[in-house]
Amino acid sequence: GAVVSQHPSWVICKSGTSVKIECRSLDFQATTMFWYRQFPKQSLMLMATSNEGSKATYEQGVEKDKFLINHASLTLSTLTVTSAHPEDSSFYICSAGGSLYEQYFGPGTRLTVT
Amino acid sequence: QKEVEQNSGPLSVPEGAIASLNCTYSDRGSQSFFWYRQYSGKSPELIMSIYSNGDKEDGRFTAQLNKASQYVSLLIRDSQPSDSATYLCAAGSLYNFNKFYFGSGTKLNVKP
Repeated sequence: GAVVSQHPSWVICKSGTSVKIECRSLDFQATTMFWYRQFPKQSLMLMATSNEGSKATYEQGVEKDKFLINHASLTLSTLTVTSAHPEDSSFYICSAGGSLYEQYFGPGTRLTVT
Repeated sequence: QKEVEQNSGPLSVPEGAIASLNCTYSDRGSQSFFWYRQYSGKSPELIMSIYSNGDKEDGRFTAQLNKASQYVSLLIRDSQPSDSATYLCAAGSLYNFNKFYFGSGTKLNVKP
C-alpha cells in the first residue's frame, strides 16, 4: 500500500517551454500533497503544499506564477513549470500525506531544460 | 526558524555492525518524526516513523525519540552493504498541514 506515482520519470524540454508533472496516489486518498525539488548532492527543498480543492501554499522564494500547482482530486496533483530555464533543471519529487502524518514519496521526475 | 539537524557524514561502518544515526530538532511543536532512506538518484523511502518517547523497533531498525532533549535517532543492526544510502530525518508538525522539516541527511557507507 501507500504507492505514489509520478509521470513522466524524466523529461527534456527547451528553454521557454512549459512542462507538466503529474503525481498520483494509487491506493489511498491524499488530502495533502507536497512538491519538492532536489539539486545534486543537496537535501530536499519543499516548494509548496497542495491541498485538494484549494490553492497551494508556496514556500518563501518559490515563484507561484512559475510553478503552477493544481490539486484537482484526492489522488492527483500536478506541477507545471512554466517558461522553463536551464536553472530549473532539477529532480522534482512529490509526496502524498498519509493518515498518520507520514509522507509517501513518488519516484521523482528528472527535468532537464536545454 | 524550524530546523532539523543531522551530521552529514559519511558514517562508515563494517558489515554486520550497528550503525547509529542521530538527529536534533528545534521545534517543540513537532509531534511526529520519520526516517527516510534515499539511494543516489532515487526518491526517499519511508523506513520508520515514531510519535512517542522511547524506542520503536521494526526488523533491523530501531528508532528512538526523546522529546525532552529534542533528539531522534535510528539504529541499524547487522548493517548490510545494501544499507549504504543517505538517511533523512524529518520532523512534522500537527499544526501545519503535516508539513515536514527535513534534515540535510547523513550518508552511510557499509563496507563489506
